[in-house]
Amino acid sequence: DAGVTQSPTHLIKTRGQQVTLRCSPKSGHDTVSWYQQALGQGPQFIFQYYEEEERQRGNFPDRFSGHQYPNYSSELNVNALLLGDSALYLCASSLGTGDSEQYFGPGTRLTVT
Amino acid sequence: AQSVAQPEDQVNVAEGNPLTVKCTYSVSGNPYLFWYVQYPNRGLQFLLKYITGDNLVKGSYGFEAEFNKSQTSFHLKKPSALVSDSALYFCAVRENPGGYQKVTFGTGTKLQVIP
Repeated sequence: DAGVTQSPTHLIKTRGQQVTLRCSPKSGHDTVSWYQQALGQGPQFIFQYYEEEERQRGNFPDRFSGHQYPNYSSELNVNALLLGDSALYLCASSLGTGDSEQYFGPGTRLTVT
Repeated sequence: AQSVAQPEDQVNVAEGNPLTVKCTYSVSGNPYLFWYVQYPNRGLQFLLKYITGDNLVKGSYGFEAEFNKSQTSFHLKKPSALVSDSALYFCAVRENPGGYQKVTFGTGTKLQVIP
């Protein structure tokens, strides 16, 4: 049973560029959430997708956008990258929007120079 | 707004001794509480959750947590610590507005188990 997978593992971008991160949820899961984890901090909620729509959003600017596909996989897009966007980006999947726990992928380490 | 506080940046405990990692929370409604563990260069791994019911929740790897509504706390415990328990532990809280999850994590507590 495949867990949550994310690609790429590491990424280095230049300030002002755009980046796309990808996530495949755990088999059987239909909800995907994205988090930003800065060094030494806890994960910060970016947004959640369910049934291909953004359902909840944290305090992140519109430069952060996402998408969910019919197979439940998801993308996180960040435009006009800033140095402060350097972080570990975590994808988490869960079943439905009820009380189920989230399963996290290993993350994508984004470095903006 | 929901929030979580983990007052200790690091907890040191000798192998074989009981351990406690503290967490307090603030929500406007009923809390849904979670503990996750993060090993170096890995994603977060679910340990246990409290939704409703018994205040003492048992989870993976011998961990348990006690929900205390009056003290708004959800401390993580284990009767006998192992060196392999050394990791970063996160407490998280969730409200359930409209049924969609918005989870708030604490800043994490580094647990160091000393052989």
